[in-house]
Amino acid sequence: DAGITQSPRHKVTETGTPVTLRCHQTENHRYMYWYRQDPGHGLRLIHYSYGVKDTDKGEVSDGYSVSRSKTEDFLLTLESATSSQTSVYFCAISEWGTGGPDTQYFGPGTRLTVL
Amino acid sequence: AQSVTQPDIHITVSEGASLELRCNYSYGATPYLFWYVQSPGQGLQLLLKYFSGDTLVQGIKGFEAEFKRSQSSFNLRKPSVHWSDAAEYFCAVGAVGGYNKLIFGAGTRLAVHP
Repeated sequence: DAGITQSPRHKVTETGTPVTLRCHQTENHRYMYWYRQDPGHGLRLIHYSYGVKDTDKGEVSDGYSVSRSKTEDFLLTLESATSSQTSVYFCAISEWGTGGPDTQYFGPGTRLTVL
Repeated sequence: AQSVTQPDIHITVSEGASLELRCNYSYGATPYLFWYVQSPGQGLQLLLKYFSGDTLVQGIKGFEAEFKRSQSSFNLRKPSVHWSDAAEYFCAVGAVGGYNKLIFGAGTRLAVHP
């Protein structure tokens, strides 16, 4: 299994509070991603990173920000959590393979509940 | 815009029966295609992937998938399902713009009856 950890694994918070989720990898992969998973929607990309300090928006980035100050860590921040951000959040990593894009490997997920 | 459609939200099969999960994609060029499996409370695990070459791809756990360009499909198959195959299955396509981004389908939840 790819060395990806997410913390915390579960979190309950209140509307309006800031929340930071952490993704840590030990694979030295260049690309890192944050997804949210909701019933009926599969996984949707929030933000991604293609190197230290290099990040960009995904499909559902409103209300989220990210930072990557080291290769191994990718942080997702909800500046002011809302109930619509209740979801399961997955981090993923990948590298560019010799023949093209390589597999994305996923972390165990963080279940976030916003009351 | 790129998209992935998994027409079946839920499928129930009997143990030992064959399985086919459907996936259709929208993409102009030759796509990069993936199937992932998610067991309850777990992250996603890659079953198989198609980049080029042989259109019939073998994966882990006895799964295979066939790329059909004319039908824009990448259906997942298994000849004999085991109770442990009960999970959610996601089809994904590599997104334009690089950076190994993926676009996922909504998933198909598989239940297996003994």
